[in-house]
Amino acid sequence: RKEVEQDPGPFNVPEGATVAFNCTYSNSASQSFFWYRQDCRKEPKLLMSVYSSGNEDGRFTAQLNRASQYISLLIRDSKLSDSATYLCVVIGLTGGGNKLTFGTGTQLKVEL
Amino acid sequence: NAGVTQTPKFQVLKTGQSMTLQCAQDMNHNSMYWYRQDPGMGLRLIYYSASEGTTDKGEVPNGYNVSRLNKREFSLRLESAAPSQTSVYFCASRPGQTYEQYFGPGTRLTVT
Repeated sequence: RKEVEQDPGPFNVPEGATVAFNCTYSNSASQSFFWYRQDCRKEPKLLMSVYSSGNEDGRFTAQLNRASQYISLLIRDSKLSDSATYLCVVIGLTGGGNKLTFGTGTQLKVEL
Repeated sequence: NAGVTQTPKFQVLKTGQSMTLQCAQDMNHNSMYWYRQDPGMGLRLIYYSASEGTTDKGEVPNGYNVSRLNKREFSLRLESAAPSQTSVYFCASRPGQTYEQYFGPGTRLTVT
């Protein structure tokens, strides 16, 4: 089983729709979680951190479910500019925060 | 601030040739990283440097060497390139107090 798994998509949604992605992780000792966004042929950029209590930033909501070992990203009122690949990132206890494990990403396409 | 810069942006090598990928950051970050990104594999850590003067292996270090020249610069060397090293290479840096990593624009390397 991969350490971090994501549905590769693509998720094709109309503008204005709500879309959600999940990401499962295998190491129950994982301590920190993030969502990164990567545009086509560009570098990844941090979208948001995922806290145990959940985290909301505008149209984006991230949640952590430790019992079931997954994190989620909810995007409300999707915009064309949200089209990108969303990478789930998990940091374990070892490595001093230097060893990030990336998922392969979920591709989102927002259409008119 | 330029952030994280990488050179070159594109490179084509023949099998057995050597080259060095350059990375520099102007954010005074302590930690720097080299990743490769391949389709369906996610980003994988090659080497990292937690601070000036130290380097450590990541998940896929074979075939690569690194040098942390100073706090700003972290280079990745391929001594004898192989077709399996065809990939997109990203450099990243991180300030000590957070887990967020800042990525450079990437180097697209093709080995024929």
